[in-house]
Amino acid sequence: QKEVEQDPGPLSVPEGAIVSLNCTYSNSAFQYFMWYRQYSRKGPELLMYTYSSGNKEDGRFTAQVDKSSKYISLFIRDSQPSDSATYLCAMKEGGATNKLIFGTGTLLAVQP
Amino acid sequence: GAGVSQSPRYKVAKRGQDVALRCDPISGHVSLFWYQQALGQGPEFLTYFQNEAQLDKSGLPSDRFFAERPEGSVSTLKIQRTQQEDSAVYLCASSQISAGNTIYFGEGSWLTVV
Repeated sequence: QKEVEQDPGPLSVPEGAIVSLNCTYSNSAFQYFMWYRQYSRKGPELLMYTYSSGNKEDGRFTAQVDKSSKYISLFIRDSQPSDSATYLCAMKEGGATNKLIFGTGTLLAVQP
Repeated sequence: GAGVSQSPRYKVAKRGQDVALRCDPISGHVSLFWYQQALGQGPEFLTYFQNEAQLDKSGLPSDRFFAERPEGSVSTLKIQRTQQEDSAVYLCASSQISAGNTIYFGEGSWLTVV
């Protein structure tokens, strides 16, 4: 079993829909949780970063972390065709470690 | 430079050939990372440098993989005697401070071993 599980999709939604993307994890030492967006043939780009449990909002994006359930989510409101990309969750332990553990990524297509 | 720069962007290697992939991090960034991303998968950690010191190489899959950052800026990932299973995108990333949480990725070097 992988440390981080993510449904690969693909997920297809109409423009304007609310999108929910999720990851589960097994390592209770994870304290930092991130969401990256990766366009085709590009490198991952950091979207959201959250420390420990709680919610964080940035424009149309909301990240949620539930450490008790080992579950994280990314919500995208009013989705746009330009949001079409692969969304990767990533996590790391506290302390001095720098190693990010990524999910497999969910491919999202927003249809105009 | 404005971002993390990697070269070559695309490389086709014959099985058994040695390859070298270059990463030029954002100027002044202390930390540098290499990740491997297979098709349809998330990136997997290979190795980490703080300045010129390689502090973690636990993700290197075999002794055919070697990374260096001799002057604490540009880094090279070398793969000796390439195998088909080495075909992947090799991503370099950098961050401003050690244990920094804002990590910037390059566009990757796409390696195909035939």
